[in-house]
Amino acid sequence: DIQLTQSPSFLSGSVGDRVTITCRASQGISSRLAWYQQKPGKAPSLLIYSVPPLQSEAPSRFSGSGSGTEFTLTISSLQPEDFATYYCQQHNSYPLTFGGGTKVEI
Amino acid sequence: QVQLVESGGGVVQPGTSLRLSCAASGFTFSTSVMHWVRRTPGKGLQWVAVISEDGDEKHYADSVRGRFTISRDNSKKMLYFETNSLRPEDTALYYCARDRCFGCRLFDLWGQGTLVTVSS
Repeated sequence: DIQLTQSPSFLSGSVGDRVTITCRASQGISSRLAWYQQKPGKAPSLLIYSVPPLQSEAPSRFSGSGSGTEFTLTISSLQPEDFATYYCQQHNSYPLTFGGGTKVEI
Repeated sequence: QVQLVESGGGVVQPGTSLRLSCAASGFTFSTSVMHWVRRTPGKGLQWVAVISEDGDEKHYADSVRGRFTISRDNSKKMLYFETNSLRPEDTALYYCARDRCFGCRLFDLWGQGTLVTVSS
């Protein structure tokens, strides 16, 4: 199985901060990595994925990059509605796997 | 309204069974690949099963293979998850989720989840 390691697991930030979350895969997955946002009491929502090409369903302040085994999600300017938990997910092969999550708090 | 609504969760003893259901509406269910994904307190999100549009192809996570069965009824727009021989480590919030496209292996629509608690 492909293991995904997310870092950091917890991130404290302020409105306006630029933050970066990293996701490392245990083996190459080309560009087939997605990012989800989950807020308390809500289901996850798909932010960014690469089919390819890189696709985004998120506001423009969210961006994703990477290929192979190392990927990043960047929020260029944290907004109040961005405080949530973020998960990466590889969609290269079954079994599909997720990273452990990064909780972004104020 | 495009949505998925899960039901069937509960508190059960180890070794017992539950049948989870997911009702789809607002989109063409019969042409959608569907998944079950669970969120556990300790391990976060875990993909558990997928079923093809026609129900002929299924894949499972190793942790549930042989105990859980995914199925669907396209005429009723329903997805099911028969969970047998439940273990404490199966305690989780179970989501049904739609695949964004054939072969995408991405989840673009999620339900709100149904909670399964396995405890003696």
